[in-house]
Amino acid sequence: EIVMTQSPATLSVSLGERATLSCRASQSISSNLAWFQQKPGQAPRLLIHGASTRATGLPARFSGSGSGTEFTLTISGLQSEDFAVYFCQQHDDWPRTFGQGTKLEIK
Amino acid sequence: EVQLLESGGGLAQPGGSLRLSCAASGFSFKNFAMTWVRQAPGKGLEWVSIISGGGAASSYGDSVKGRFTISRDNSKNMLYLQMDSLRAEDTAIYYCAKEASYYSRSAFIDSWGQGVQVTVSS
Repeated sequence: EIVMTQSPATLSVSLGERATLSCRASQSISSNLAWFQQKPGQAPRLLIHGASTRATGLPARFSGSGSGTEFTLTISGLQSEDFAVYFCQQHDDWPRTFGQGTKLEIK
Repeated sequence: EVQLLESGGGLAQPGGSLRLSCAASGFSFKNFAMTWVRQAPGKGLEWVSIISGGGAASSYGDSVKGRFTISRDNSKNMLYLQMDSLRAEDTAIYYCAKEASYYSRSAFIDSWGQGVQVTVSS
């Protein structure tokens, strides 16, 4: 199965600043990568699919990039509601696999 | 608006069984694959299973293969997960999720339910 590795495990960033989250696949997944946001006690929410396509209604401050094995989620101008756990998931093959998550916290 | 509502969770003994259900609304259910994803306490997400829009095709994660069975009833807009031979490590919140296509390896999850707790313990 494809192993997804996220870094860092925890990221501390100040309000208004930019956060950069990384995700690496153990083999090429083309652009078949999704990013999800999860807040405590809530279900995950789709942010990005196809590595860079924003979900409907997602603010433009969220952007995704990358292809092959290296991917990045960038959140510009961090707002209080952005502090959460972020998971990447490959949607290139079954079994679908997730990264272990990056917790984005307020600095 | 897509709505997914899971039910059927609870406490089961090791070796026991549970059947989860997911009621779907707000979209043409038969045209989309459906997925179960679980999350153990304080842990990350684990993909469990997927079923095609028509129900004829499915795939499972290695940890549940041979023990869990996914199914659907398109006449009732319902998704199910039959969980047999339960183990302590199956303890998790189980999420029902909608895929963005009928059945494709490269499709993605675009909507999630709120989840249902399953606890396996004696």
